[in-house]
Amino acid sequence: EIVLTQSPDTLSLSPGERATLSCRTSQTISNTYLAWYQQKPGQAPRLLIYAAASRAPGIPDRFGGSGSGTDFTLTISRLEPEDFAVYYCQQYDVSVGFTFGPGTKVDIK
Amino acid sequence: QVQLQESGPGLVKPSETLSLTCAVSGASIGSSSYYWNWVRQSAGKRLEWIGRIYSNGRTTYNPSLMSRATISLDTSRNHFSLTLKSVTAADTAVYYCARGGACFGGACFGFWGQGVAVPVSS
Repeated sequence: EIVLTQSPDTLSLSPGERATLSCRTSQTISNTYLAWYQQKPGQAPRLLIYAAASRAPGIPDRFGGSGSGTDFTLTISRLEPEDFAVYYCQQYDVSVGFTFGPGTKVDIK
Repeated sequence: QVQLQESGPGLVKPSETLSLTCAVSGASIGSSSYYWNWVRQSAGKRLEWIGRIYSNGRTTYNPSLMSRATISLDTSRNHFSLTLKSVTAADTAVYYCARGGACFGGACFGFWGQGVAVPVSS
């Protein structure tokens, strides 16, 4: 099983600031198979980024993804009030399917 | 626009079988080339993929749940289902159905249902 770790657990920032979230995988994966989601309380996750760096339809361009190998990053260039939420990374492996990271909570400082 | 809606029993007793259905609108599950998935989220907040079914009926499961989970398609009703046998309190979670997004190999989840809470308790 490929294990995902995310850091930090919580990121406390103000609106307008830049957020940098990290996702590390326990073994090298293809960029094709790394995605990021946003989840707000009481809601289902929403796909933000797929294939490590491609924005999903309708996602604002302040959200960006990067990385390769075992280290991946989600960047929110300027936080809007609606961006305070929990963010999960997810990987897909042909052998064992999907696994998710434990999440990073972005809250208001 | 694809929409998914889960439905289920509300409460399941330990050792019994959990059965959930996901009604799909805006797409035909039997003819569209997408994967249809089940994902759950426990109170500890970790998301866990359960398994998926392709439009041709081919299934893939999380190895940790493979012995207890079954996913099936009902193309006449345009829905797909999950059964999970021999449940315990550890299966208490919010269960989501989700469709693969515009990702190679269906490697992401582009559309989600709102989720249904399933407590396992006597």
